[in-house]
Amino acid sequence: SAVISQKPSRDICQRGTSLTIQCQVDSQVTMMFWYRQQPGQSLTLIATANQGSEATYESGFVIDKFPISRPNLTFSTLTVSNMSPEDSSIYLCSVSGNQGTEAFFGQGTRLTVV
Amino acid sequence: GENVEQHPSTLSVQEGDSAVIKCTYSDSASNYFPWYKQELGKRPQLIIDIRSNVGEKKDQRIAVTLNKTAKHFSLHITETQPEDSAVYFCAASIDFGNEKLTFGTGTRLTIIP
Repeated sequence: SAVISQKPSRDICQRGTSLTIQCQVDSQVTMMFWYRQQPGQSLTLIATANQGSEATYESGFVIDKFPISRPNLTFSTLTVSNMSPEDSSIYLCSVSGNQGTEAFFGQGTRLTVV
Repeated sequence: GENVEQHPSTLSVQEGDSAVIKCTYSDSASNYFPWYKQELGKRPQLIIDIRSNVGEKKDQRIAVTLNKTAKHFSLHITETQPEDSAVYFCAASIDFGNEKLTFGTGTRLTIIP
């Protein structure tokens, strides 16, 4: 199984500012995914982060709002830019192993925008 | 794209009874169907999964059934215990290993002691 370290675990931010969330995996993985979980809701995929190429964004999510970096096979960042209260959510990174293993999740970042 | 519907949204059962949660999906190309359990304030954890080449899979008190023709799959929990109380999510993917998952809306399961 993959061990994922995600930080920060929570933050309270002022509207208009940006927050960068980090996701570190203990092994090399091909695919890394970023999800958003709004309060009391399900998980929605924001984008897929591939090493060496630009992230692929899902409908409703754009790079200017959620820029993603993937500098190597064990690390990725998600930035939530120009935040508004509607961005208050839990953000989770997820990985799957190169051998087709299950998806593992980081512990999540609980973001509150005030 | 894929759309996954999940029912019921809330479910309360007496301890020791069985619980059943149902999901339907729209994309016939989907071939991997995991179930996740999320306890309050924690990350989702895989509890069981099934691939499209089998119709049923069981792991102790938990089982999943899949009907590809009807495009629905179900989670069955028998002999429920208080620690089964959590939110359960079904999901679907067209490529196991390329784990881009589409999640259902979730079911809040409460086990009544």
